[in-house]
Amino acid sequence: EAGVVQSPRYKIIEKKQPVAFWCNPISGHNTLYWYRQNLGQGPELLIRYENEEAVDDSQLPKDRFSAERLKGVDSTLKIQPAELGDSAVYLCASSSRDRSEKLFFGSGTQLSVL
Amino acid sequence: GDSVTQMEGPVTLSEEAFLTINCTYTATGYPSLFWYVQYPGEGLQLLLKATKADDKGSNKGFEATYRKETTSFHLEKGSVQVSDSAVYFCATGTYKYIFGTGTRLKVLA
Repeated sequence: EAGVVQSPRYKIIEKKQPVAFWCNPISGHNTLYWYRQNLGQGPELLIRYENEEAVDDSQLPKDRFSAERLKGVDSTLKIQPAELGDSAVYLCASSSRDRSEKLFFGSGTQLSVL
Repeated sequence: GDSVTQMEGPVTLSEEAFLTINCTYTATGYPSLFWYVQYPGEGLQLLLKATKADDKGSNKGFEATYRKETTSFHLEKGSVQVSDSAVYFCATGTYKYIFGTGTRLKVLA
């Protein structure tokens, strides 16, 4: 089966610019996660979706970050405006209801804010 | 809140050496425990998991036992190979997963 697809793979922007990341989960996976991974650290949850509903966004910095998952399939994570501290790898993961404890991760988007 | 602490790396071993990567956790309730691995240039993938106390997860020669009394889930392998070189992440949770900082393993031929 096709894995979790993320794009772009790399993104370099100047601070205060907007940026968006896209994720296509594995077909049929109802749960979708966005994680942020800083250099040398483990992934930190930003938001979790069950179908199209954001069920856990307590870690999402809502002043500049937004996310959506229209129709419960693809998802977009946006930062506006970006700050230097947002430089990180943004990971998308998905899981299915019958195997909900196994996360399938995409390759991530590496963001550099200059 | 829930948290995971794992030993810092990097860990450098010779091929066929014994591997232990320590992981301890704090959590409310009885969460599942996981080890994820990230090979160079690849995404994170599940290596093994355990869902309750005394369960042993195993895969590709790696093992870890859910120890509730010591709140630990140490990763072990009896004989590492060069191909095991990767970053290993311990994680805990149910639906909301908390990851450790990762331990880089380098195996020398």
